[in-house]
Amino acid sequence: DIEMTQSPSSLSASVGDRVTITCRASQGVGTYLAWFQQKPGKAPKPLIYGASGLQSGVPSKFSGSGSGTDFTLTISSLQPEDFAIYYCQQYIDYPLTFGPGTKVDI
Amino acid sequence: QVQLQESGPGLVKPSETLSLTCSVSGFSISSGYYWGWIRQPPGKGLEWIATIHRDGTPYYNPSLQSRVTISLDSSKNQFSLHVRSVTAADTAVYYCARRFPIEYGGRSHYHFDYWGQGSLVTVSS
Repeated sequence: DIEMTQSPSSLSASVGDRVTITCRASQGVGTYLAWFQQKPGKAPKPLIYGASGLQSGVPSKFSGSGSGTDFTLTISSLQPEDFAIYYCQQYIDYPLTFGPGTKVDI
Repeated sequence: QVQLQESGPGLVKPSETLSLTCSVSGFSISSGYYWGWIRQPPGKGLEWIATIHRDGTPYYNPSLQSRVTISLDSSKNQFSLHVRSVTAADTAVYYCARRFPIEYGGRSHYHFDYWGQGSLVTVSS
């Protein structure tokens, strides 16, 4: 199985901050990497596919980069609605695996 | 607009079978590529359970494979999940999702693009 790790596990930030979350895969996944945002009581919302492709309807303040084993999700200017948990997920191979999540709060 | 909706009992007794159905609207299951189930225990992260291709080929998480069955009913535009011999560890919010390809960077990316709202299933006597 491909193990996904994320850092940090949680972070505190302020409105307007630039935030970067890191995701690492235990083996290369090319660019078959997605990012999701999850708010309490809600389903995960897709943000990024292909490591850097922006899901339709997602604001451009979200951006992704990386390939192989190391990836980042950046939020350029944090807004109140961005406080959530963020997960990465590899989909190059079964079993599909998610990172443990990064909680972004105030 | 593609919509997915999970349905099933919210409470299941230990050792029994958990059964969930995902009803899809706004899109034909037989046109989609893959359909899947993901679960999330209370306060924990996401775990992929199973995926089924539109041709009926299933893919299972090895950690659950011996107890799980995923199936497709194109006539009802639904797909289902059955988890046998459940324990308290199977208590979770269960999500159904569509895994659909998008062309990007010269490759097809089969990512989970639409999700249901989730269905909480509690295993308890």
